[in-house]
Amino acid sequence: DAKTTQPNSMESNEEEPVHLPCNHSTISGTDYIHWYRQLPSQGPEYVIHGLTSNVNNRMASLAIAEDRKSSTLILHRATLRDAAVYYCILRDGYGNKLVFGAGTILRVKS
Amino acid sequence: DVKVTQSSRYLVKRTGEKVFLECVQDMDHENMFWYRQDPGLGLRLIYFSYDVKMKEKGDIPEGYSVSREKKERFSLILESASTNQTSMYLCASSLLRTGANEQFFGPGTRLTVL
Repeated sequence: DAKTTQPNSMESNEEEPVHLPCNHSTISGTDYIHWYRQLPSQGPEYVIHGLTSNVNNRMASLAIAEDRKSSTLILHRATLRDAAVYYCILRDGYGNKLVFGAGTILRVKS
Repeated sequence: DVKVTQSSRYLVKRTGEKVFLECVQDMDHENMFWYRQDPGLGLRLIYFSYDVKMKEKGDIPEGYSVSREKKERFSLILESASTNQTSMYLCASSLLRTGANEQFFGPGTRLTVL
């Protein structure tokens, strides 16, 4: 199974951009890259996903390397409410298997 | 608004008891999932179902079974609870069985087995 590797934790200042990296060197051609986040005492929440091209939505941007072996979640202006654990997840094209990394704890300082 | 609900937020059971965790989604989703979450281990998939009465094992199915008699409901069963099953249990659903679909998670059930 393809695995993901993320830093254990990162810190950011409020109102500054945050770049959360993820390595997935064994990604297969049919794997989608998903990002979820989990706030304290809540279930995970979908953030964004992509396959090959960079993606933007109201929450974040996803930059995918040309060889697809790594990706970066970009929060353009971090707020205190963005403090959470961020998971980089590979999901195969058939949707059956999800591979969760340990996640990155994002701390946002005011 | 999309909603996944779980029957309990907190549950305390004794070793050897049979435990039922219920999950209901109101989005008419085909796929439903059960995960457990433990510190340092992230989320791990226990079982999933892509249709009524269908089920497939995830990465850690031992000690668990599931039931999906209706599309909106997916139950996780611990036949004989053990202390190593103390964990946070998360239910999720998704519309289609494709890698592009997002999953919607419930709030979780924190189970303690004494």
